[in-house]
Amino acid sequence: KAGVTQTPRYLIKTRGQQVTLSCSPISGHRSVSWYQQTPGQGLQFLFEYFSETQRNKGNFPGRFSGRQFSNSRSEMNVSTLELGDSALYLCASSLEGQINQPQHFGDGTRLSIL
Amino acid sequence: LAKTTQPISMDSYEGQEVNITCSHNNIATNDYITWYQQFPSQGPRFIIQGYKTKVTNEVASLFIPADRKSSTLSLPRVSLSDTAVYYCLVGSGEGYQKVTFGTGTKLQVIP
Repeated sequence: KAGVTQTPRYLIKTRGQQVTLSCSPISGHRSVSWYQQTPGQGLQFLFEYFSETQRNKGNFPGRFSGRQFSNSRSEMNVSTLELGDSALYLCASSLEGQINQPQHFGDGTRLSIL
Repeated sequence: LAKTTQPISMDSYEGQEVNITCSHNNIATNDYITWYQQFPSQGPRFIIQGYKTKVTNEVASLFIPADRKSSTLSLPRVSLSDTAVYYCLVGSGEGYQKVTFGTGTKLQVIP
């Protein structure tokens, strides 16, 4: 069974631009969550999508948005990029997003803002 | 939300058993305890999950005392490839957005 796939693996942008990251979950998984990981803040929850609906959201500004398609694939968009948005963005999928269902993470997209 | 506390770092020699303890004093009745492993520039990997007593799989054991206010991840005979950050998570229901990964424990295995 293929794992969680995130594209692209690396991305370099400049301040003010926008970016779209993609995540393909494990087949059959309907919950997709996004996380931001930085050395200073650790792993922080961004949002979770389930059945094409945003079910939960973390404490991030509105510049961070996402969506989920009918095949459970998900995209995350960040507009008006800031230097502080440089981070590893991780996507994770699970069957239905329940805690007793382990999350499977992709290897992330490394976003660098110049 | 249950807050977790883990040691920031640990060192161990190859071949030894490593025990990493996580404190979660305000764990709720329905909360599960889950451990993840993360290597640099990779996403976390699920190791083990438990609710009470002891759980064992092919890579680790998880010990949970009766009061469930702490848990211990046990890695038997570690190798250099076990050098990673280990996260303890506590939570229940729907879903992972309600838990925090914290800073984790950085395990360094020494030859």
